[in-house]
Amino acid sequence: DAGVIQSPRHEVTEMGQEVTLRCKPISGHNSLFWYRQTMMRGLELLIYFNNNVPIDDSGMPEDRFSAKMPNASFSTLKIQPSEPRDSAVYFCASTLQDRVGGYTFGSGTRLTVV
Amino acid sequence: AQSVSQHNHHVILSEAASLELGCNYSYGGTVNLFWYVQYPGQHLQLLLKYFSGDPLVKGIKGFEAEFIKSKFSFNLRKPSVQWSDTAEYFCAVNENVAGASKIIFGSGTRLSIRP
Repeated sequence: DAGVIQSPRHEVTEMGQEVTLRCKPISGHNSLFWYRQTMMRGLELLIYFNNNVPIDDSGMPEDRFSAKMPNASFSTLKIQPSEPRDSAVYFCASTLQDRVGGYTFGSGTRLTVV
Repeated sequence: AQSVSQHNHHVILSEAASLELGCNYSYGGTVNLFWYVQYPGQHLQLLLKYFSGDPLVKGIKGFEAEFIKSKFSFNLRKPSVQWSDTAEYFCAVNENVAGASKIIFGSGTRLSIRP
């Protein structure tokens, strides 16, 4: 298994631009999580999906952030418009809900908004 | 809601020293507990987990953790650290919300090992 796949690995964009981060969970996993990691705030859960349905988006910082999971093998996190304070590493993770065995994390997307 | 506290933000040790990183959680019921490690520039990886049974859990790379229910603690230990253990360590607890499960992470402890 290739693990959780995130793209791009690095993204540098100008303030005001739209940014789309992508995630492919492990095949067979039915839960997907988006986290943001910064030095100041640590690891924050933004949103998570169970069977493609958003369960809890209370961690999404503001309306500029949106996430979708159109099918079991793909999710996107979109920021529009982006701001410098959105600069962070964004991790996607997946797991099988019926078996709470911990998450498998992707390698992350390092986003820099200038 | 669950919360996880890691009181040590940065720990500096010499090689071969013993390690103990503290972790306390808030929930008094049945819990699932985890320790994750993040090596520099990498993603989080599962070190060990506790669901039930023996409160002393063995993980990878010589790490272990002890679940003490009366103290709401799940401290991570290693008898002799190596330079390659330099990383950030996250304690985490499972929370069930609306029939689905999510993991809450602590703020992390950065471990630096002097060669």
